[in-house]
Formats: sequence, C-alpha cells, structure tokens
Amino acid sequence: EAQVTQNPRYLITVTGKKLTVTCSQNMNHEYMSWYRQDPGLGLRQIYYSMNVEVTDKGDVPEGYKVSRKEKRNFPLILESPSPNQTSLYFCASSSPGRDYGYTFGSGTRLTVV
Amino acid sequence: GQSLEQPSEVTAVEGAIVQINCTYQTSGFYGLSWYQQHDGGAPTFLSYNGLDGLEETGRFSSFLSRSDSYGYLLLQELQMKDSASYFCAVIGAKGSYIPTFGRGTSLIVHP
Repeated sequence: EAQVTQNPRYLITVTGKKLTVTCSQNMNHEYMSWYRQDPGLGLRQIYYSMNVEVTDKGDVPEGYKVSRKEKRNFPLILESPSPNQTSLYFCASSSPGRDYGYTFGSGTRLTVV
Repeated sequence: GQSLEQPSEVTAVEGAIVQINCTYQTSGFYGLSWYQQHDGGAPTFLSYNGLDGLEETGRFSSFLSRSDSYGYLLLQELQMKDSASYFCAVIGAKGSYIPTFGRGTSLIVHP
C-alpha cells in the first residue's frame, strides 16, 4: 500500500531532550515536507526537500533540523525541544506531475513539558 | 510575503451546495490545490487547478482565476460526512513545488 509512515504517533517529552520524528514513504517521491498544525493557524511549513541531499527552510524552521540522506526517509529532529514546539506534526510527499497532490502521514502529536 | 485568505467557518444543510473561497497573494504561483481534513485525521488531496477554469471531480469542483488571485471549492449534494476542514494551498510560492496552506475553513453540515 502506498503510504507515508510517521513515528511515533504520540510523544510526550521534557524540555531540552533531543528527539527525532521519523518519516518514510514507499512511493519513490522526490518531494517531502514537514508541517506543524496548531489551532487557528493551519498547516505551517517547517522544512522541505526537493530530492536527496536537497533541503530548504520553510516558514517556521527555528528549533528544527532535517536531513535527506535517502529518497524514502526525511526525519525531523528537535535538538532541544521547548514547550512552544508542542504541536501536531505532519510529513507529506509528492512527485512532479500533473496535479502535485501530496500524500500525508497520519501525524505525530508532540507534547513538550 | 505570502498570504492565503479563506473563511474560518461555513455551515450548510444536507443536500445543499456550498462554496469555499480562497484568495491568495504569493511571490510565485504555479497552481492552487484543495485538501480535506477530518477531525483527528490527516489532510487528503482533493484537487489541483493549474489553469483558469473549473475542474470537476464527482460532487466536488474547484475553480481558479489567476488574474484575480482567487479560487473556490464547490461542494454539491452535501452529506454529513463532508463535515471537515478544507484547506486551499498554493503551489509555487517562493518558487517551490511544496504547498503553502491557508488557515482552513471548517465546514459544518447540519441534517
């Protein structure tokens, strides 16, 4: 089944403890992106990648890192999480094509205390 | 800067037709997409307009006017299961093929 897999689904952590949220897609997609979703603010882009070893900042990159060493994986790293990073995170992927439709993962609900 | 405006909430009754508008102002533009998100779920892709005009997919249609920086999603024969949030998203903002999303419209369908 074609899908984007994020792990974990839920995570509660403490301020300052480094964490990684994994994202993997099995559709051979070039484009991958991370979003955070907060009430009333919609989906805000954190980082994106157009292909392996090609990443760029989105609209809210502060406090996050990413890497794209393989086409299928695009992990999101929080080196020193803070409470304002408590949010719902989505990974999404797509390929160049007629409709640029993105497939989203199921989401990761992160709470930083 | 980039901005996408859409109403925060729309209500309608089952069987009715509803239109959700989206206006955008971005530094680049290839096209406009629409996504649906049910409570607790992930966004799912509905449609993409790269050219002016209407695209129809079953009960849903999407329209784009590039000259007016405006688009809309039209939902016909509303069903209770259409209650969800709907997001417009620009492809091409800042020259990227990654979507830039609006804040979303919550659609509430009443019996």
